Amino acid sequence: QQQVKQSPQSLIVQKGGISIINCAYENTAFDYFPWYQQFPGKGPALLIAIRPDVSEKKEGRFTISFNKSAKQFSLHIMDSQPGDSATYFCAASTPMYSGGGADGLTFGKGTHLIIQP
Amino acid sequence: SQTIHQWPATLVQPVGSPLSLECTVEGTSNPNLYWYRQAAGRGLQLLFYSVGIGQISSEVPQNLSASRPQDRQFILSSKKLLLSDSGFYLCAWSKGQGSYNEQFFGPGTRLTVL
Repeated sequence: QQQVKQSPQSLIVQKGGISIINCAYENTAFDYFPWYQQFPGKGPALLIAIRPDVSEKKEGRFTISFNKSAKQFSLHIMDSQPGDSATYFCAASTPMYSGGGADGLTFGKGTHLIIQP
Repeated sequence: SQTIHQWPATLVQPVGSPLSLECTVEGTSNPNLYWYRQAAGRGLQLLFYSVGIGQISSEVPQNLSASRPQDRQFILSSKKLLLSDSGFYLCAWSKGQGSYNEQFFGPGTRLTVL
């Protein structure tokens, strides 16, 4: 059972345009929603994350929009640049245990983003 | 600052051979540690996680095992590799105590089983 559905699978955007990637989740216990950026042959790097107590978070050209009632969240990349070309993963996690442990992240299948110059 | 290391970076192994991948974290104490596998064109699948020395939780039944002999060391092993074990293996860590599950990934090990 896929708990986080990500779309589109691939995306081509012109330089300077807005890239939008969407994710939907099913588990209402999720309370943390990060986005990761991964370049070929590298490990994923944490890009930006949001908690469900806010509807939007912005860091530079990257913005997460969160809709708790619809159980959806999205990544917007403004003024997209060729250097943004990478695979992007959304993820979700349940709360940390009271003893400090946690489950792993549940990942979407990824979006391969290409920014054309 | 915290850093996470994985080695080897790449590995080519024959079917039926053993496996040992190592992950170490620097600059933090009592981290939670995770092993993920990434198949080509797919997302990341959690294999194991650990909240302390000797404490291992497995997410999926498989040909692999994990161990945590030291606080900041996490090892992924197999006694006999299968073709289906090929993939990109990623280690990650998160703070042992915190309000949310912020995870940081290592550079990964590319395993090819022939």
